[in-house]
Amino acid sequence: EPEVTQTPSHQVTQMGQEVILRCVPISNHLYFYWYRQILGQKVEFLVSFYNNEISEKSEIFDDQFSVERPDGSNFTLKIRSTKLEDSAMYFCASRVLLGGELFFGEGSRLTVL
Amino acid sequence: AQSVTQPDIHITVSEGASLELRCNYSYGATPYLFWYVQSPGQGLQLLLKYFSGDTLVQGIKGFEAEFKRSQSSFNLRKPSVHWSDAAEYFCAVGADSGNTPLVFGKGTRLSVIA
Repeated sequence: EPEVTQTPSHQVTQMGQEVILRCVPISNHLYFYWYRQILGQKVEFLVSFYNNEISEKSEIFDDQFSVERPDGSNFTLKIRSTKLEDSAMYFCASRVLLGGELFFGEGSRLTVL
Repeated sequence: AQSVTQPDIHITVSEGASLELRCNYSYGATPYLFWYVQSPGQGLQLLLKYFSGDTLVQGIKGFEAEFKRSQSSFNLRKPSVHWSDAAEYFCAVGADSGNTPLVFGKGTRLSVIA
């Protein structure tokens, strides 16, 4: 069964460092998303991406964040200068159609020290 | 703005007992409604979804949910809980069209005791 894969599963970094989280969406999917879940809190939308550009972003997704699809298969989330409050589980998701089922990866846990 | 409320943070049920997890939503348009389950250390797995039609929807693992527009609710039910159902359950709402992102509730943690 096709699935969304994310790497790394867990990353520990120092405050101020850059982090790149990687996702491989399901191959025929066209819409891509990043969500995050701070420990014990709800899953929050960060950004959606379609046709090689951001289609929507939340207020969480400030200038420290960026996304790209560099090679037609990977979908990456970059945090330029991490803060303590960026510690969270980051989920990548994709879907083939608008309104269709959203498939989530298993998440990348980011710990900022 | 859309929102989802899951009033129960943590529920404990005995194995074999019935289960109902509550979800209330606020959404101006016709909602798409979802229930996801998250096992420890795992990603989010879709249990079921409601787009239109029959207000009682069946999902995987024996779960069902009923959409009640008059109550703005989409409660998740299971007649007989198994120990493997212990997990975090998230209700989510989305638009009926467009790329509007899903809005999630804060989740309900389900513990199952023998």
